Parts: sequence; structure tokens; C-alpha cells
Amino acid sequence: GENVEQHPSTLSVQEGDSAVIKCTYSDSASNYFPWYKQELGKRPQLIIDIRSNVGEKKDQRIAVTLNKTAKHFSLHITETQPEDSAVYFCAASNGADGLTFGKGTHLIIQP
Amino acid sequence: NAGVTQTPKFRILKIGQSMTLQCTQDMNHNYMYWYRQDPGMGLKLIYYSVGAGITDKGEVPNGYNVSRSTTEDFPLRLELAAPSQTSVYFCASSLTGQGTWELFFGEGSRLTVL
Repeated sequence: GENVEQHPSTLSVQEGDSAVIKCTYSDSASNYFPWYKQELGKRPQLIIDIRSNVGEKKDQRIAVTLNKTAKHFSLHITETQPEDSAVYFCAASNGADGLTFGKGTHLIIQP
Repeated sequence: NAGVTQTPKFRILKIGQSMTLQCTQDMNHNYMYWYRQDPGMGLKLIYYSVGAGITDKGEVPNGYNVSRSTTEDFPLRLELAAPSQTSVYFCASSLTGQGTWELFFGEGSRLTVL
């Protein structure tokens, strides 16, 4: 089955700086790569996703890049703000049998 | 729309007891999932369903059972609860086949087995 590795487990950045979270996946058949944000005590919510036929996708301050050859994808958050503090999960899927999630990155925005 | 609704939000069980976590969605989604979330371990898929009457095992199905008699409901049954089942459980649904795989999660159910 699919295996998703996510790094780092904790990331602390100064407010206004950029944050980058990286993930690798094992199944070359995976074709969908979403990122979820989970605030403390809340449910995970989709913030951005990318499909295997696209190399990069951007939505305001967040962007995701995908390297199919190397089987890795990354989340980039620019101009970080206090409300970006949360746990971020990457995931991968090759179809309808659910998403395989990474273990999460706790992003801390220092004032 | 209420989205995905889970009950109960909190529950404490004794070892060996059984219970059912309820999940219902009102978005007419065909796919539904149950995940468990343990600290520092991400979300692991327990069971999923691609439509009424069809269920499949995920990564960690042992100790659990599901049924999908209607499009809206996808209950998760725990038989003979064990401390290893202490976790936060999330139900989710998605409308696949439309070019999207976004999961919509419920608020979660925190289960403690003592």
C-alpha cells in the first residue's frame, strides 16, 4: 500500500517568514495530493490540492509543488501569520480507497 | 446543510464493552470513510464505503465493523473495546467521480477505553 512520509514534525518560524513542509510517497500510481490543516481540537480541512498532471498550484499565500519523478511534494506558506499556526497533513491517493496521510507537521508562528 | 455529523463527541468505555459511533451526512456523497487519529501518528483509515451496501477494509480494520445500509449513514461498531482503541475517530465523506477527492470531516469522537 501507499506510504507517506512527512517532514519536519515541528516547524517554528517568525511571523512574516516563509514555511515549507515536505512529503514523499511510495506508490507511483498515486495521482492526487491534498494538504489539510487542523487547528487544535478541530476537524481537518482541505487547504489546497494538486493532481499528478500539474507541477505547481498556488492560492494566495499558499502553494504546492509536485515532483512525480522523485515522488515528493511540498507545501509553501509565505508571509506567515498567527492564524497559520496549526497541524498540517499531507496525503496521497491513487483512487477512491481513501487518502493515506503523513504524520503531520506542527507549525508554530512566533510573534 | 449540516455536513458530516458524528455522535457521540466523547465517550468512556470499559475494557470489553461494545459501542457504535454514528455518522451521517446530508451532502448526498457516495463515498464515506472512518479514520482514527492518534497523537503524532496522523490519520489512519479504518474502513471505507463507495456506496450503499459496499464496504472495504482500510489500513487498521481489526476490532471494528461497519455497515452502509443508506447513502447517508455509516456507523462504526467497536466490539470488545481495548485500551489500544483509545483515539479520536473521524468520519468523512466525499463526492468522487466529479474530479474532486476532497474529504469533508465530521467534528470527531473522542473515545477512551479504561
